Amino acid sequence: DSGVTQTPKHLITATGQRVTLRCSPRSGDLSVYWYQQSLDQGLQFLIQYYNGEERAKGNILERFSAQQFPDLHSELNLSSLELGDSALYFCASGGLAAGDEQFFGPGTRLTVL
Amino acid sequence: AQKITQTQPGMFVQEKEAVTLDCTYDTSDPSYGLFWYKQPSSGEMIFLIYQGSYDQQNATEGRYSLNFQKARKSANLVISASQLGDSAMYFCAMREGTGGFKTIFGAGTRLFVKA
Repeated sequence: DSGVTQTPKHLITATGQRVTLRCSPRSGDLSVYWYQQSLDQGLQFLIQYYNGEERAKGNILERFSAQQFPDLHSELNLSSLELGDSALYFCASGGLAAGDEQFFGPGTRLTVL
Repeated sequence: AQKITQTQPGMFVQEKEAVTLDCTYDTSDPSYGLFWYKQPSSGEMIFLIYQGSYDQQNATEGRYSLNFQKARKSANLVISASQLGDSAMYFCAMREGTGGFKTIFGAGTRLFVKA
C-alpha cells in the first residue's frame, strides 16, 4: 500500500458527461501528480500541484482541469467526455526534487460509453 | 525536449537468469532523475529504483540495478535471478530538475519470465 488513495476505483459514464476523480496524497507529501494511462498513448503526465499551486502541466486537454485543496487532496475534473477519454487515471504524490520518488495510487478506471 | 525511449516492447527470460531492460533518454537539463517502475497485471505502479544525474555510482536495490551510462544517455534496468513474479510491464521515467517538474514515461517493456 503506497499510502495514496484514489476514489472511485471504477467509473462508467456516457459521452458528454462530466466526472470528478479524487486523490488523497500520502501523509506529509505536498506534491500531487495526475497521469492518464491509455492503451494507445501509454502513461501521460497531465498536471502537477504543489501545496495548492499548479507547478507543471503536461498533455492535459482543455476539457480537463484539476485543483489541490488546502487539506492537500486533489481532484481531477473531466468534462464533455469522449470515448477516447477511457483510461486508467493515476494520482501520485511525493516531493518536489528531481530525485523524489512518486508514490502511485491504485488508479481510477474510467470507461466512457 | 525530454524524451524517453524503451525499444523492447516484449522480453522473455528464463527463471533464475538475469535480464536487461533498455532505456535511453534525452534532455538538455544537467540535473535530472531517472526512475524505473513495475506495473503487474493488477495495475498498480511500483517504484523500483532511482538514479540521479550527478550520482557517481550505479544505483542498486536488491535484485535490481541500474546500468547508468551518462555519455550514452542510457539507464538500463538489470534484474538478477528472475522470478516468476517479475512478469510485468516495466516503465522507465525521467524528471528534469530545473525549469519544470513534469515526469515523462517510456512506452514500457513487457517482461515474461518462463519457468
